[in-house]
Amino acid sequence: GQQVMQIPQYQHVQEGEDFTTYCNSSTTLSNIQWYKQRPGGHPVFLIQLVKSGEVKKQKRLTFQFGEAKKNSSLHITATQTTDVGTYFCITKTSYDKVIFGPGTSLSVIP
Amino acid sequence: SQTIHQWPATLVQPVGSPLSLECTVEGTSNPNLYWYRQAAGRGLQLLFYSVGIGQISSEVPQNLSASRPQDRQFILSSKKLLLSDSGFYLCAWSEQGALVSGYTFGSGTRLTVV
Repeated sequence: GQQVMQIPQYQHVQEGEDFTTYCNSSTTLSNIQWYKQRPGGHPVFLIQLVKSGEVKKQKRLTFQFGEAKKNSSLHITATQTTDVGTYFCITKTSYDKVIFGPGTSLSVIP
Repeated sequence: SQTIHQWPATLVQPVGSPLSLECTVEGTSNPNLYWYRQAAGRGLQLLFYSVGIGQISSEVPQNLSASRPQDRQFILSSKKLLLSDSGFYLCAWSEQGALVSGYTFGSGTRLTVV
């Protein structure tokens, strides 16, 4: 069935370095949402992207939806230890079925 | 404002024992309600969702069941737990159409079956 791939699976960065995670689909997506889950915590909604080429920013986080609406990225500038967690995307298949990206686990080394 | 409550936070149960996890939502009416399971180091797996009282859809065959006795109450149950039922269980709600408004997740229940 239709899947969303998310890369990388794990990322270890030094505090202050940038970080990017990508969600990729083989088919066009209607929209995409990003969530963050801290270790031991529950997922928290970050943002939703709907339009082709859309870019949204939240402080050090930049979210982008590809022009073809088949991929999306989340970029964190100058990571901090508070950024630690798993970032995953949620989207919808052409059959209206919600699918989750497997997540990217971010570790930040102080 | 809307809030979601899920309890208990942690649970250790022997194999073969029953299970009941409860989730309630406040501040909204007729929400979509969901139960998800997250195995250690893995993504979210949708178990059940409900669009209204008494309406339950199951995504994955298993020995778990769900019920929605009231508009804002969602219960996850099992008659006999298996070791493989261990995991992190998350309740969530959304306005009609989660891919429009987003999910709001409860704080989760960490279940260990021993």
